[in-house]
Amino acid sequence: AQRVTQPEKLLSVFKGAPVELKCNYSYSGSPELFWYVQYSRQRLQLLLRHISRESIKGFTADLNKGETSFHLKKPFAQEEDSAMYYCALNAGGTSYGKLTFGQGTILTVHP
Amino acid sequence: DAGVTQSPTHLIKTRGQQVTLRCSPKSGHDTVSWYQQALGQGPQFIFQYYEEEERQRGNFPDRFSGHQFPNYSSELNVNALLLGDSALYLCASSLLGTPSSYNSPLHFGNGTRLTVT
Repeated sequence: AQRVTQPEKLLSVFKGAPVELKCNYSYSGSPELFWYVQYSRQRLQLLLRHISRESIKGFTADLNKGETSFHLKKPFAQEEDSAMYYCALNAGGTSYGKLTFGQGTILTVHP
Repeated sequence: DAGVTQSPTHLIKTRGQQVTLRCSPKSGHDTVSWYQQALGQGPQFIFQYYEEEERQRGNFPDRFSGHQFPNYSSELNVNALLLGDSALYLCASSLLGTPSSYNSPLHFGNGTRLTVT
């Protein structure tokens, strides 16, 4: 069975500071990893996925299979980054659409 | 494009009752997945419907059942409600049959907040 762990429930940084939201997973196969974000009073939406290897809103995430991690990073946090962030895993193949989510990290960026 | 729409937004039921939640997928999507999100937790996968059939299921009892209609909309039914069923129920739609999930991420609705008293 797969599992996603986000060790920090709350994370506070100041504007302009680097930010890293941690995500660790356990899965024996080749997973697909995602970061979803939920801004205040908005629906859950996809931020980025590891297979695209893109930067969205200045955020990047690298899949480290050796450490089974998929940490989300941004070099200079902005106030508008304040939101709830969820790391999620898809076992892939026929289980596409069945995401396993972590508990989420609330990021607060102070001015 | 209205995206994924869910109804109702809030619902209060009594223990033992039955409830039906509804979801309309994003235009062009053919697959609907349902998730339960308890307070302070991440969403948990309930089941997924494609071509009007349950395609895969999470670790939820048979009290949770669903249906998908020819227009791709979906219903989630919960029988014999328990206090522990109180949660936010999220519907997510996607397009199956693409070469990989890369081209069709899940799109979530705003959810239905169910309170069981």
